[in-house]
Amino acid sequence: DAKTTQPTSMDCAEGRAANLPCNHSTISGNEYVYWYRQIHSQGPQYIIHGLKNNETNEMASLIITEDRKSSTLILPHATLRDTAVYYCIVRVGGNSGYALNFGKGTSLLVTP
Amino acid sequence: DGGITQSPKYLFRKEGQNVTLSCEQNLNHDAMYWYRQDPGQGLRLIYYSQIVNDFQKGDIAEGYSVSREKKESFPLTVTSAQKNPTAFYLCASSIGGTGGFWQPQHFGDGTRLSIL
Repeated sequence: DAKTTQPTSMDCAEGRAANLPCNHSTISGNEYVYWYRQIHSQGPQYIIHGLKNNETNEMASLIITEDRKSSTLILPHATLRDTAVYYCIVRVGGNSGYALNFGKGTSLLVTP
Repeated sequence: DGGITQSPKYLFRKEGQNVTLSCEQNLNHDAMYWYRQDPGQGLRLIYYSQIVNDFQKGDIAEGYSVSREKKESFPLTVTSAQKNPTAFYLCASSIGGTGGFWQPQHFGDGTRLSIL
């Protein structure tokens, strides 16, 4: 699986959009981009995933650049409950690549 | 509600003792996974199972054992051979099946194991 690079930490004011970047310059054509988050002492929570196109769901939006070498997770109106570690993962689809390589992620702090 | 249930939430083990962590899912998922997380670290794969009665070792399987006798259950045994078992253990499941391994994994709330 391709390696990802994320900033160690970020801050965001409550009510503002949180934009979390991820670089995955070695991504290959059949690798999906996944985002998870983990609130302290809880299991990781799936947020969103995509292959080529931008995606949106009730939690967030995922913007993938045209060359697929980077992506951005957008939380449109951050709340205090969005404070968590956010993980960007790239993973091969199909019948290979069973583990998720979580890495260190980005620690997002949402402030009042 | 559908989901993944791990129990117990906290577990203490004496030296030389085997302990079993429970993981149950009612999502009708074929694939199940066990991960270990150490403080400030990412998740590492211990074992995974694609289908009932089949499982595969992950990156750090030594000192652990699993079984998959039922689709909904994937218990993990931490044996006395695991010399550093203190960690946060996470179970996950995904739809799996033919062409379905790209589907996201969903996690339980974990079991925190400590050595007495």
